[in-house]
Amino acid sequence: DVKVTQSSRYLVKRTGEKVFLECVQDMDHENMFWYRQDPGLGLRLIYFSYDVKMKEKGDIPEGYSVSREKKERFSLILESASTNQTSMYLCASSRSSYIEQYFGPGTRLTVT
Amino acid sequence: SQQGEEDPQALSIQEGENATMNCSYKTSINNLQWYRQNSGRGLVHLILIRSNEREKHSGRLRVTLDTSKKSSSLLITASRAADTASYFCATDAISDYKLSFGAGTTVTVRA
Repeated sequence: DVKVTQSSRYLVKRTGEKVFLECVQDMDHENMFWYRQDPGLGLRLIYFSYDVKMKEKGDIPEGYSVSREKKERFSLILESASTNQTSMYLCASSRSSYIEQYFGPGTRLTVT
Repeated sequence: SQQGEEDPQALSIQEGENATMNCSYKTSINNLQWYRQNSGRGLVHLILIRSNEREKHSGRLRVTLDTSKKSSSLLITASRAADTASYFCATDAISDYKLSFGAGTTVTVRA
């Protein structure tokens, strides 16, 4: 079974802090994704990566950056956390195409 | 961009009943998928239907796709308490490279 793990289930950070969310997949997938999920808005794509060191902006990249130094690991960075970044963050991976994505359990981030 | 929209937003049914939810989308697609999310967890892929397919089955799930109406339906037959979850449709548009998810339908199955 594909396994996608995320570094934390719950995280509380203060405004202005730099926040790192890590995601690891164990199935050698080329593609990895970061989404945020907010009530009534569904999932919105922040960034995705189709290869090591490659990244593409999604629909809402502002305030975020990403890093993919190894194929299995994709990190989301909040450079200076703000309260409007309080959300559920979901990482996903997929094989050669971007369909049929496998999701991690999510990180619920609260910024106070 | 939110391409798919599910209807209804919420659904409550008795165990053993069928649950039907719909998804409408705006632009032409390659594929449509349905995902399930149990409370506070990640999404799990349920089923994929391609744009040239009209119906697909997987266990107690039946998905239909009507590209002329830009809509899809997901039917869960003989529901169980474990089916309590949120269900999302996701489309990949011909003109786009990524999945677009709707806001989801929350299904509650009462014992």
